[in-house]
Amino acid sequence: DIQMTQSPSSLSASVGDRITITCRASQSISNYLVWYQQKPGKSPELLIFAASSLQSGVPSRFSGSGSGTDFTLTISSLQPEDFATYYCQQSYRTPYTFGQGTKLEI
Amino acid sequence: QLQLQESGPGLVKPSETLSLTCTVSGDSISSSNYYWGWIRQPPGKRLEWIGSVYYSGSTYYNPSLKSRLTISVDTSKNQFSLTLSSVTAADTAVYYCARLSSNTWFFDFWGRGTLVTVSS
Repeated sequence: DIQMTQSPSSLSASVGDRITITCRASQSISNYLVWYQQKPGKSPELLIFAASSLQSGVPSRFSGSGSGTDFTLTISSLQPEDFATYYCQQSYRTPYTFGQGTKLEI
Repeated sequence: QLQLQESGPGLVKPSETLSLTCTVSGDSISSSNYYWGWIRQPPGKRLEWIGSVYYSGSTYYNPSLKSRLTISVDTSKNQFSLTLSSVTAADTAVYYCARLSSNTWFFDFWGRGTLVTVSS
């Protein structure tokens, strides 16, 4: 299985901050990388697919980059509704696998 | 507006079979561009892909669960289902159903999830 590792596991930030979350794959996955946001008690929501393609309706302050094994999710100016847990997922091959999550806290 | 809704028992006894159904509304489960999948999340842990099904009945399973798992589709009811046999406490999780886009394989719509507890 392809292992996905996110860093950091938790992050404290303030409204207006720019933050970056990193996701590393145990082998090359080209650009088959997906980012989700999950709020407590809710299902995950798609943010970015194919490493850098923004899902329709997702604010432009979210962006993704990377290819191969190293990827990043950036939020350019944190808003109160962005405080949540973020997961990466590789979609290169089955079994699809997820990172352990990054909890973004105020 | 696409909606997915999981249904099934919230409590299953150890060694028994877990059965869940996902009802899809707002889109046809027979759409050629999508698969349909199950994902679970044990309390406090990361998401785990369980498996996926195409409207034709083709399935893809997580090898870690394959020996106990069956995923099926009922196009007449616009539903797909999961059965997991011989459950243990390790199968306690929130189970989500989701739509899987065949364009680089991402889950673009998720159900609200249902908590299944394995306990006697």
